Amino acid sequence: AQSVTQLDSHVSVSEGTPVLLRCNYSSSYSPSLFWYVQHPNKGLQLLLKYTSAATLVKGINGFEAEFKKSETSFHLTKPSAHMSDAAEYFCVVSGSGTYKYIFGTGTRLKVLA
Amino acid sequence: EPEVTQTPSHQVTQMGQEVILRCVPISNHLYFYWYRQILGQKVEFLVSFYNNEISEKSEIFDDQFSVERPDGSNFTLKIRSTKLEDSAMYFCASSEDRVSSTDTQYFGPGTRLTVL
Repeated sequence: AQSVTQLDSHVSVSEGTPVLLRCNYSSSYSPSLFWYVQHPNKGLQLLLKYTSAATLVKGINGFEAEFKKSETSFHLTKPSAHMSDAAEYFCVVSGSGTYKYIFGTGTRLKVLA
Repeated sequence: EPEVTQTPSHQVTQMGQEVILRCVPISNHLYFYWYRQILGQKVEFLVSFYNNEISEKSEIFDDQFSVERPDGSNFTLKIRSTKLEDSAMYFCASSEDRVSSTDTQYFGPGTRLTVL
């Protein structure tokens, strides 16, 4: 069975400092991994996805994530936080003969001025 | 940019009543999904739908739930007799293709269902 664990439910950073949102996955097969962001009253927006083509994945708005098979991790990073990054972030795994998404519990990012 | 839309944004109903949640997927997409998120819990898969059939469903999706694509644009989720525990945010999603599991699902903003 597949699962994802988001290690922090809340993360606070100061504007201009780096962001790290942690995600570990469990999968019997080579997984597909995604990060989605949800701003208040908005839908879930895709930030980036890992499809086995490259372990370092670049997404929108300066975010990137690195797939590390040995650590079963897919952490999301951004070099410099912006106030507009404040939102909830979801790590998602899919694959293994199913197309349904399995979500992590989410990490709420707060950006301090 | 095309978006998935959902109506209503908030639905309040009495226990035992039927509700229909509506979604308009992106127009050229062929695969449709419903997920839900109970407050404070994970987003959970309910059902996927393709070619007018359910292609996969979770154990949550029991006989009280049904889905339908009544016309060329809408995709609906019906709960026949709502229970208190059905209170949740319901997300609709669609994807263009399902050649592989890397196909991106595009999500709507959700409908918050409150059962009293």
